[in-house]
Amino acid sequence: NAGVTQTPKFQVLKTGQSMTLQCAQDMNHNSMYWYRQDPGMGLRLIYYSASEGTTDKGEVPNGYNVSRLNKREFSLRLESAAPSQTSVYFCASISPYSNQPQHFGDGTRLSIL
Amino acid sequence: AQSVTQLGSHVSVSEGALVLLRCNYSSSVPPYLFWYVQYPNQGLQLLLKYTTGATLVKGINGFEAEFKKSETSFHLTKPSAHMSDAAEYFCAVSGGSNYKLTFGKGTLLTVNP
Repeated sequence: NAGVTQTPKFQVLKTGQSMTLQCAQDMNHNSMYWYRQDPGMGLRLIYYSASEGTTDKGEVPNGYNVSRLNKREFSLRLESAAPSQTSVYFCASISPYSNQPQHFGDGTRLSIL
Repeated sequence: AQSVTQLGSHVSVSEGALVLLRCNYSSSVPPYLFWYVQYPNQGLQLLLKYTTGATLVKGINGFEAEFKKSETSFHLTKPSAHMSDAAEYFCAVSGGSNYKLTFGKGTLLTVNP
């Protein structure tokens, strides 16, 4: 998706390992989000950042931490990965105008063994 | 609080037939409503959105949706299905100043030749 870049695209971890998922947007958006997608569950919000310097919990924050490094970048960290965190993770960003849709990255497929 | 219910996790139609994907929402404030499409192993792409104004919204690929406040519905339709429409479709609602998007669990559309 143009404008929102996620890295890596694929990752396999062992239980207990840590890793950081990176997200960057070049659309000068204020708000950024992390979702996870699981079969039959839709997308569930993990954390979001309404603006640079602020972060808030979403629906399923347990086991995750986030950092809004600057206006462009919003990272998601798994400190001690668990098999239940196997999922597809999507980063999204939104423009300052409230009637604008969110723009999504292409996702990170994470498997935890 | 806001929520989305998509009726039917799987819808199957014949090529050329009407596509109808159902979405009901709840929101404590006037909603913004969205439909996204996801093709296999890809991110989410915006099909259409309703914010204010005309209640019949036209989107890409021949899809349209009608906002019915009295029924709290935002059903997605397309007069004639094409094989390329096979994908998963997500309805989402956003309300208030936090811009958070709450997703339904998705409807997988299968198009039979």
